[in-house]
Amino acid sequence: QVQLQESGPGLVKPSETLSLTCTVSGASISSNYWSWIRQSPGKGLEWIEYLSGSGSTNYNPSLKSRVTMSIDTSKNQLSLKLNSVTAADTAVYYCAKILEIPNRGQDYFDFWGQGTLVTVSS
Amino acid sequence: EIVLTQSPATLSLSPGERATLSCRASQSVNIYLAWYQQKPGQAPRLLIYDASNRATGVPARFSGSGSGADFTLTISSLEPEDFAVYYCQQRSNWPPPITFGQGTRLEIK
Repeated sequence: QVQLQESGPGLVKPSETLSLTCTVSGASISSNYWSWIRQSPGKGLEWIEYLSGSGSTNYNPSLKSRVTMSIDTSKNQLSLKLNSVTAADTAVYYCAKILEIPNRGQDYFDFWGQGTLVTVSS
Repeated sequence: EIVLTQSPATLSLSPGERATLSCRASQSVNIYLAWYQQKPGQAPRLLIYDASNRATGVPARFSGSGSGADFTLTISSLEPEDFAVYYCQQRSNWPPPITFGQGTRLEIK
């Protein structure tokens, strides 16, 4: 059974960097695609980025300049860094596994973490 | 950006009734559309992908249909555990390649 668990600070100050980690179990982190998605009352569900163990990636253009996603295969962990945060970045952040469909791209999310609330406030 | 518009915003039905939820895309997404269910305090759960394929473990009362820009999620006979918020999600070559609808809340009447 694939399980994902997000962790990180629940409170970040404006202009600082939000840093989150997602620990994966039950699946090979290097053989799959992984993604970060956030959810806020104002913007709903917003896809941030996806990344594969081999380094293939795609970003949401609205966040691309501020986002860094990485994979640590030795720890079976994903990480997300979002810099220069504002109150608009307050959201529940989810990591998710991308559904593997043969000969297809990165389309849907079949396993999600439980999410972690990050509040941006001074 | 492809915008997904879900309707209605809220649907009030009783257990045993049939639910029909709609998702309309601002341009064609072919069949590349998924439906998710989200309960309070939980992450979304994948129900349907490629418009009509049920994800692993999803009960047969859930079905999806449509292609192009108009899609429907049908729950044939509502169970108490089906009352939740439902989101559609598309995958395209337009940036950003993945967007979600704003959700339909399915509530007990």
